[in-house]
Order: sequence, then C-alpha cells, then structure tokens
Amino acid sequence: KAGVTQTPRYLIKTRGQQVTLSCSPISGHRSVSWYQQTPGQGLQFLFEYFSETQRNKGNFPGRFSGRQFSNSRSEMNVSTLELGDSALYLCASSIAGGPMDEQFFGPGTRLTVL
Amino acid sequence: ILNVEQSPQSLHVQEGDSTNFTCSFPSSNFYALHWYRWETAKSPEALFVMTLNGDEKKKGRISATLNTKEGYSYLYIKGSQPEDSATYLCAPNQAGTALIFGKGTTLSVSS
Repeated sequence: KAGVTQTPRYLIKTRGQQVTLSCSPISGHRSVSWYQQTPGQGLQFLFEYFSETQRNKGNFPGRFSGRQFSNSRSEMNVSTLELGDSALYLCASSIAGGPMDEQFFGPGTRLTVL
Repeated sequence: ILNVEQSPQSLHVQEGDSTNFTCSFPSSNFYALHWYRWETAKSPEALFVMTLNGDEKKKGRISATLNTKEGYSYLYIKGSQPEDSATYLCAPNQAGTALIFGKGTTLSVSS
C-alpha cells in the first residue's frame, strides 16, 4: 500500500508570492490534516479535511487555506507569503480522523521564503 | 486550542540507560492520547494510542502509561539504544477535535 505523498518536496518562493502544496493520502483514507513545523514550535495544526469539508481549523491567519477533492487528495495554499512562513509542511492522513485513528504522515514539503 | 506540555524538552543519555518523559494535557473532554516518534529525516510514526485511565501500552523496550483524571502520560524507554534517538511527540485528542501535538521531547542516545 502506497504511503502518503506530498509534492513538491522542496520549494523556494519570495515574499508576497503564493504557493500551493499537494498531499495524496493513503488509499481509503478520507481525513487529511495539515501541520506546520518550525524550529522551536513543534508541529502546529493548520486544518483538517474530511469528505471535502474542513472539519477543524487551527489558529493560523486567513492567508492559509486548503481544500480537499472527491478522491481525498488535498491542497494547501498560502497567499502573500511572509518570511515566517518558511517551514516544513506535513500532511497526515487517517481513515476517518476519529480520535483513535492513527495518522500516517507524508515526507513533508520544505518551503523557503526569501 | 488545547495546551499540551511535554518535558523535558531534550534529553541526552548513554546507551543502556533507561529514561522517561512526561506529557501533560487538560483532562476535560479527553478521548484519546497518541504518542509518535519522529526520527531525523523521516516522518513521524505512531507508537501508541491510549484511551482508558490506567492504560498501559508496550512495544519492545518502549512503554507508556496514561492518567486521564490528572491529565498526564509517561513514556518509558528501557535500556536506551542509539536507534531510539528521536523526538517523541504526544497528542491528546478531545472528542470532535483534531490531534494537537506537544512540542516534543528530543532524545539523544550516545553509544
């Protein structure tokens, strides 16, 4: 069974640009969550999608948005990039996002904002 | 937003030492607690999911206990090995919410 895949793996952008990251979950998984990891901050929750609907949202500004398609693939968009958006972005999928469901993480997208 | 505290922030032990870390979380509306291990250059991987007060899980030399009434979980590693070097993350889950991770405990094991 293929794991969670994320594209691209690395990305360099400049301030003010926008970026779209993609996540393909494990086949059969309907929940996709996105996390941002920066040094000293750990994994910070961005949002979770289930069946094309945003079910939970973290404490991030509106520049961060996402969506999920009918095949459960998810995209995350960051508009008007800031230097502080430089981070590792991880997505994780689970069967249904239930409290006891194990999350499977992708390899991440390393975003650098210059 | 759930407040999850993990201590210590980092730890350095010698091969063969046993060690333990703490995860503290609000006990209200508790549903489950997850432990993950995150090795350098890899993705986080699940270790345990625990739900019941007094629950104890074990995988090889790693074990975890859960106290839902007071809101904490301990992770123990017996006879640490260099391959145990990683960041250990806990994530409590309240009903209807997503997994919120603590900042983790980074373990370094020297041979």
